[in-house]
Amino acid sequence: GENVEQHPSTLSVQEGDSAVIKCTYSDSASNYFPWYKQELGKRPQLIIDIRSNVGEKKDQRIAVTLNKTAKHFSLHITETQPEDSAVYFCAASPLSSNTGKLIFGQGTTLQVKP
Amino acid sequence: NAGVTQTPKFQVLKTGQSMTLQCAQDMNHNSMYWYRQDPGMGLRLIYYSASEGTTDKGEVPNGYNVSRLNKREFSLRLESAAPSQTSVYFCAGENLAPPYGYTFGSGTRLTVV
Repeated sequence: GENVEQHPSTLSVQEGDSAVIKCTYSDSASNYFPWYKQELGKRPQLIIDIRSNVGEKKDQRIAVTLNKTAKHFSLHITETQPEDSAVYFCAASPLSSNTGKLIFGQGTTLQVKP
Repeated sequence: NAGVTQTPKFQVLKTGQSMTLQCAQDMNHNSMYWYRQDPGMGLRLIYYSASEGTTDKGEVPNGYNVSRLNKREFSLRLESAAPSQTSVYFCAGENLAPPYGYTFGSGTRLTVV
């Protein structure tokens, strides 16, 4: 089955710097790659996603890139702010499933220091 | 507009006790999912339901059962709780329109002593 590896597990940056989180997946048939943000004590919430027919997608300060050949995708946050501090999860959806069943990475705790 | 509602929010069980975690949605989701979240392990899929009346195993189904009695409700049952099932449990529904992906419930924090 699909396996998603996420790095780093923790990331600390200064306010205003950029942050990059990387994920690799194993199932070359996966076609949908979302990113979720989870603030302390809250539920995960979708922040951006990308499909396999697109190489990059941006939404204000966040962007996601996808390299299908290498089977990895990354989240980029620019001009980080303290409110970006949270746990971020990547996920992949195996095409072999008829549903949108998501397999998640282990998570990255991002700390943005003022 | 409730979205995805989970009950209870917190629960403490003794080893061997049983309980059912409830999940209900009003977003017309066809597919619903149960995940558990443990430190350093991300969200792991327990069971899912592609449609009313169907269920299937995920990554970590042992020790759990599920029921999809109707389109709105998808429950998770622990028949004989074990300390290894101490976790935060999330129910989610799959959105059929933008924004795609999942809408999660607020979670159930379960402690088995």
